[in-house]
Amino acid sequence: QQQVKQSPQSLIVQKGGISIINCAYENTAFDYFPWYQQFPGKGPALLIAIRPDVSEKKEGRFTISFNKSAKQFSLHIMDSQPGDSATYFCAAQAAGNKLTFGGGTRVLVKP
Amino acid sequence: DSGVTQTPKHLITATGQRVTLRCSPRSGDLSVYWYQQSLDQGLQFLIQYYNGEERAKGNILERFSAQQFPDLHSELNLSSLELGDSALYFCASSPTLHAETQYFGPGTRLLVL
Repeated sequence: QQQVKQSPQSLIVQKGGISIINCAYENTAFDYFPWYQQFPGKGPALLIAIRPDVSEKKEGRFTISFNKSAKQFSLHIMDSQPGDSATYFCAAQAAGNKLTFGGGTRVLVKP
Repeated sequence: DSGVTQTPKHLITATGQRVTLRCSPRSGDLSVYWYQQSLDQGLQFLIQYYNGEERAKGNILERFSAQQFPDLHSELNLSSLELGDSALYFCASSPTLHAETQYFGPGTRLLVL
């Protein structure tokens, strides 16, 4: 049972463009929603995270939008750069327990 | 660098064999998590240990087991290996039992032939 659904599986964006990745969850007990970035040959690393009492969080070029009623959240990468090319995972967590990951989105930023 | 180390980086073995993956958490972290990353299943939580005790179990097969030692390093044992066990195995650590941020190691790539 996939509790966190992520789309698209992959996307290609031109340098300077906007990358948008969407996730939807089912379990209303989730109270923490991080995004992880993974480069080839490396482990996932926390990029940005949000809690459901906030509708948006921005850190540099990365923004999370959160819609609690729709049980959806998304990652926007503004002014995408070739160095942003990586696989991005959304995740959800309840009460600091295990992370439930989405399926991942492979982002390729073309120069 | 997350501070979490995993050995070996790569492992090639045959079906039916048994392997042990090792993880050293960040200094001071008491929780260790194991995840399996495969192409078709994505990142799946396997098991969590906290200060030497098993605290949470996910989609871990009965052929797999783990433990955390007094020095807090952890080992994941995979036995009776099957082709489908080929995957990346990640260890993550966090300071407490219910921590939001988990720090991932570089992973061990297992190939079962």
